[in-house]
Parts: sequence; C-alpha cells; structure tokens
Amino acid sequence: EAGVAQSPRYKIIEKRQSVAFWCNPISGHATLYWYQQILGQGPKLLIQFQNNGVVDDSQLPKDRFSAERLKGVDSTLKIQPAKLEDSAVYLCASSTDLNTEAFFGQGTRLTVV
Amino acid sequence: GEDVEQSLFLSVREGDSSVINCTYTDSSSTYLYWYKQEPGAGLQLLTYIFSNMDMKQDQRLTVLLNKKDKHLSLRIADTQTGDSAIYFCAEFSSAKIIFGSGTRLSIRP
Repeated sequence: EAGVAQSPRYKIIEKRQSVAFWCNPISGHATLYWYQQILGQGPKLLIQFQNNGVVDDSQLPKDRFSAERLKGVDSTLKIQPAKLEDSAVYLCASSTDLNTEAFFGQGTRLTVV
Repeated sequence: GEDVEQSLFLSVREGDSSVINCTYTDSSSTYLYWYKQEPGAGLQLLTYIFSNMDMKQDQRLTVLLNKKDKHLSLRIADTQTGDSAIYFCAEFSSAKIIFGSGTRLSIRP
C-alpha cells in the first residue's frame, strides 16, 4: 500500500513570495490533516478535512494560509505571502476516518529567507 | 484546554531500558499515541493505546496508561542505537490529534 505522498520535499523562497504544497493521501482515507512543525517543536494542526469538507481550521492563519481538498482526495496548502516565521516542515497525514490512527507523509521543509 | 507535555531529553546507556513519560489534559481522549521521528524523516506511528486499556505490549515496547493521573509512558526494552530519535506523545482530543513537543532520546555506549 502506498503511503502519504507530499511534494516538493524542500522549498526555499523569499519573504512575501507565495508557495504551494501538495498532498496525496492513502487511497480511501477520508480524513486529511495538514500540520506545521517548527524546528524543536511538536506538530501543530493547521487544518483537518473530512472528505472535501473542513472539520477544523481554527489554527490556520487565514490571512495568509489557505487549503483545499476539492474532490475529497488530493489537497493543496498555500501560503501567500510568506513570512520568515513560516519556516517549518509541513506535514500531511491521512486516516480512514476520524478517531483512528493517522499516517504521515515525509513532509515539505520550507525555508523562508 | 488541550495540552500534551513531555520532558525534552532522555539519555540512556545502550542495552538499558528507556522510559519516556507524558501527561495530557483531556480525560475524554479515546486514543493515545506514540510517534517516532528520525532526523529528516516523517512521523512514524510506533504504537497506540485505547483509553479503556491500562497496558499494551508490542515486542520491545510497553505502553502504560494511568487515566486517573492522565499519564502515559513508553518503555523501550534493550535500547539500541537505532532507537535514537524524537518520540512524540499524542492524544486524540476533540476530533483531532494533539502532539507534545517531543522527547529526544540519545543512546550512549
């Protein structure tokens, strides 16, 4: 079974630029999560989808971050414009449903300079 | 509120047992997890325990859950150099997974 796929693996951008990350969850997984992991910290949930609907986006900085999962499968996370403090690893995870184990992708490491 | 706390560092001698501790706040959490993160890698689910269990054993791993004190621990028997990593405790709370800050486990010869 293929795992959660994320791309790109690494991205370096200048502040005020835009960036987008892509995630393809495990086939059949209804729940998809985006987490931000700043160096030295635990992952922090940004947004959670159940199929193509948003379950929780309370921690998403909506003035600059957006995410979508239009067909209930792939998802993209966008930052526009980026700030220095957005430098982090962005992790995507999926699970068969709410309240089950989540499987994580390898993440996208973003560096904003 | 939801919060998961862990100590930041643990150093053990190779061959000894490692015990990583965690406290959480949501008494209604249904699942509690231990994830492992090696340098440059994603999060790997090591094990999890349902909230109605006190203990779960899986090869070298033993998870103990004290619901009264909201305390979770992970014991790794016969710790090896390959166990060097950051270990994250997490709780399933309010339909989402909340992570602690991670415990960095280092192994000394």
